[in-house]
Amino acid sequence: GAGVSQTPSNKVTEKGKYVELRCDPISGHTALYWYRQSLGQGPEFLIYFQGTGAADDSGLPNDRFFAVRPEGSVSTLKIQRTERGDSAVYLCASSMGTSGSGDTQYFGPGTRLTVL
Amino acid sequence: AQKITQTQPGMFVQEKEAVTLDCTYDTSDQSYGLFWYKQPSSGEMIFLIYQGSYDQQNATEGRYSLNFQKARKSANLVISASQLGDSAMYFCAMRGFNFNKFYFGSGTKLNVKP
Repeated sequence: GAGVSQTPSNKVTEKGKYVELRCDPISGHTALYWYRQSLGQGPEFLIYFQGTGAADDSGLPNDRFFAVRPEGSVSTLKIQRTERGDSAVYLCASSMGTSGSGDTQYFGPGTRLTVL
Repeated sequence: AQKITQTQPGMFVQEKEAVTLDCTYDTSDQSYGLFWYKQPSSGEMIFLIYQGSYDQQNATEGRYSLNFQKARKSANLVISASQLGDSAMYFCAMRGFNFNKFYFGSGTKLNVKP
């Protein structure tokens, strides 16, 4: 079956602009996660959805970042007034959403965001 | 607080030999899961192996095995019979029972030499 897909694969924007990054999870996965990965680092958690609701948004760095998942499938990460420090790879992952510690997350290929 | 530590920024291994990538963790959760992911230069995170904190046996998946030492809070990845295609970044990650997000280490870059 299809894995997690993310679009666009690359996004170059200018400082101050608004961007949207899209994630299409594995079919049937109720849980969806966004991470940010800076060069040479491990991914850092941004936000987690269970169904349509954001169950944990504690990783969003500030109010310029927002994410939605209106129908419980596709999610969009929105960044307003982009700054050069927002440049990173944004990874999306999905999982079955089962309880317990063994709910494996499967990652998409990421969107590389460059803010000039 | 949850924390994952990978102390080896880079490793070299000869093709066909085994290699161990280190991972230590810190958590106050009694139930947790430990995961290893491979990230080739293409960027996608590929799931390799999972170990539950209550699992009695070490996890194995093909050439990958996880050397889980609970008392030492370590979850090292062992890759047997290394192949050139194993060259990549490897990340250790942890998830607790009461939280869904993963905590990742800083990764180890593995280079397999022919």
